[in-house]
Amino acid sequence: DGGITQSPKYLFRKEGQNVTLSCEQNLNHDAMYWYRQDPGQGLRLIYYSQIVNDFQKGDIAEGYSVSREKKESFPLTVTSAQKNPTAFYLCASKRAARDQPQHFGDGTRLSIL
Amino acid sequence: QQPVQSPQAVILREGEDAVINCSSSKALYSVHWYRQKHGEAPVFLMILLKGGEQKGHEKISASFNEKKQQSSLYLTASQLSYSGTYFCGTPPPGGADGLTFGKGTHLIIQP
Repeated sequence: DGGITQSPKYLFRKEGQNVTLSCEQNLNHDAMYWYRQDPGQGLRLIYYSQIVNDFQKGDIAEGYSVSREKKESFPLTVTSAQKNPTAFYLCASKRAARDQPQHFGDGTRLSIL
Repeated sequence: QQPVQSPQAVILREGEDAVINCSSSKALYSVHWYRQKHGEAPVFLMILLKGGEQKGHEKISASFNEKKQQSSLYLTASQLSYSGTYFCGTPPPGGADGLTFGKGTHLIIQP
C-alpha cells in the first residue's frame, strides 16, 4: 500500500543534541512538508520542498534543517538551536498541482530528557 | 495570518447536526478541511475552491464564500466516528506553498 512512513514514533532528545526525524513516501508525490503541532494549536509549517534538491522555509524554520536528496525522502533535523523542541511532528506529501490534498504520516512525538 | 475557527469545541448527541466555521482576514483562494483523532495523523476531508462551491463527503458537506472570506463545514446526523478535531487550512498568497491551519474545533459526539 502507498503511504507516508515517519520514524521513529517517539524520540527523546538531550540538551545540546541534534536529532533527525525520518519521512519516506511511496506515493510518487513531488511536494513534501514538515509541520509542528503543539497542544491546543493547529499545525505550523516548518519547511517544504516542491522538487528534489530544493526546499523553502515555512513559518517557523528557525532551529530546524532539512534535505531533499531523493524524491521519496524528506528528513527533518531538530538542532540544538531549537530551544523548545517538544512537540508532535507531522510530515505530509502531495501532488505538484496547487489544490491537491496533503497526505500525512502518523507523526513523531519528540520530547526533551 | 492564521484562519480563525469557531466554535472552539462542540459536544453533541449522536444524530445531531453541527456547523464549524473558518474565517480569514485575507482573501482566500481555497479552503482545505481535515479531521484529526487524538494522537493520529490528520485525514483529508475536502477542498473548497473559489466560486462558492459546496462539496460533500459522506454526511459532511462544506461551503465557501470568498466575499465573506469564510468557509463552513456541516456535519449532518452526526455519528460517533465523527468525533475528533477539525482543522481548516488556507494556502499562502503568491507562489509559496503549504497550508496555514486554524487552531481547530474539538467535536465530541456522545451516544
